[in-house]
Amino acid sequence: GQNIDQPTEMTATEGAIVQINCTYQTSGFNGLFWYQQHAGEAPTFLSYNVLDGLEEKGRFSSFLSRSKGYSYLLLKELQMKDSASYLCAVLDSNYQLIWGAGTKLIIKP
Amino acid sequence: DTGVSQDPRHKITKRGQNVTFRCDPISEHNRLYWYRQTLGQGPEFLTYFQNEAQLEKSRLLSDRFSAERPKGSFSTLEIQRTEQGDSAMYLCASSLVLDVNTGELFFGEGSRLTVL
Repeated sequence: GQNIDQPTEMTATEGAIVQINCTYQTSGFNGLFWYQQHAGEAPTFLSYNVLDGLEEKGRFSSFLSRSKGYSYLLLKELQMKDSASYLCAVLDSNYQLIWGAGTKLIIKP
Repeated sequence: DTGVSQDPRHKITKRGQNVTFRCDPISEHNRLYWYRQTLGQGPEFLTYFQNEAQLEKSRLLSDRFSAERPKGSFSTLEIQRTEQGDSAMYLCASSLVLDVNTGELFFGEGSRLTVL
């Protein structure tokens, strides 16, 4: 079966750095995505990785290791507005997005 | 174009009633997806269209669910004889097929269904 695992909830302090991990087992791989979802709102696209390595975009970076079936999302200089759920999703061999359950990130002052 | 729009944003209905949701995708996008999301879970794939063709439908979708995209533009999702277990957020997303390898979906704000 297809499976994406990520922690249910994480807590971090404003101004700090947090790393959200995602491991996956899917039928094929055509890229991994991170989406941000604030409570009651739709997901919004954050990043896309298809090759191994680190992709940096401002305060957010995403890393991929295809051989390990592993990715992480790194958030720096945390702000209160970063409190949200972060969803990991993999594009499988049929170009369907397989979603994780999301990691709820709580930012404390 | 302001993005993907969904209507209604909220719907409360009694068990056994039919409900219909509408999605207007970004105009140049030819792929349209429907997802269902419950609290604390990621989006669950329901179905998707490329232009007016429905290319895939989740096995989780019962016969009470039907979706259409008659002219390859807006889409409707109908749930017949609603059950309390249908209570969820129904998300619509669109993408441009040329971007399929990037997989960037643009989501609407969702339609929240509550079945009493």
